[in-house]
Amino acid sequence: RKEVEQDPGPFNVPEGATVAFNCTYSNSASQSFFWYRQDCRKEPKLLMSVYSSGNEDGRFTAQLNRASQYISLLIRDSKLSDSATYLCVVGGSGTYKYIFGTGTRLKVLA
Amino acid sequence: NAGVTQTPKFQVLKTGQSMTLQCAQDMNHNSMYWYRQDPGMGLRLIYYSASEGTTDKGEVPNGYNVSRLNKREFSLRLESAAPSQTSVYFCASSITPGGRTEAFFGQGTRLTVV
Repeated sequence: RKEVEQDPGPFNVPEGATVAFNCTYSNSASQSFFWYRQDCRKEPKLLMSVYSSGNEDGRFTAQLNRASQYISLLIRDSKLSDSATYLCVVGGSGTYKYIFGTGTRLKVLA
Repeated sequence: NAGVTQTPKFQVLKTGQSMTLQCAQDMNHNSMYWYRQDPGMGLRLIYYSASEGTTDKGEVPNGYNVSRLNKREFSLRLESAAPSQTSVYFCASSITPGGRTEAFFGQGTRLTVV
């Protein structure tokens, strides 16, 4: 089993749609959770950290479920510019590293 | 703000050649990382440096060496390049070790070994 698993997609959604991604992680000792965005052939960039109580940043909402060991990302009112790969990242389990999912590809269609 | 700067951005090597990828950060971060990204594999950690003066192997260290030259700079060396090392390489930094705070990435180096 991979340490961090994501559905690779692609998720093809029309503009204005709401889309949700889930990510599961295997190490229950993980303490830090992040969503990164990666555009084609570019570096990953932090979209948002994920907090235990859940958090929102504009059209983006992230949730953490420690009991079931998954995190989610909800994107409301999708824009063409949201088309990218979204990486789930888990860290803080005691090792000096982050664990990356392979990413979920989103295409927002006009 | 420069953030994390990697050089070069593109490189083509012949099998057996050596090269060093350079990385520098200007955010006063303590921890630095080298990853490689291959299609369908996600980012895999090659080496990391929790703090100045320390380096440790990651998930895929074979064929690579690193140097944490000072707090700002962390270089990755390929001593004898192989086609299997064709990949996109990302350097990253974070203010604390252990993956507890977000990491910031450089723009990447696209390396092709022929």
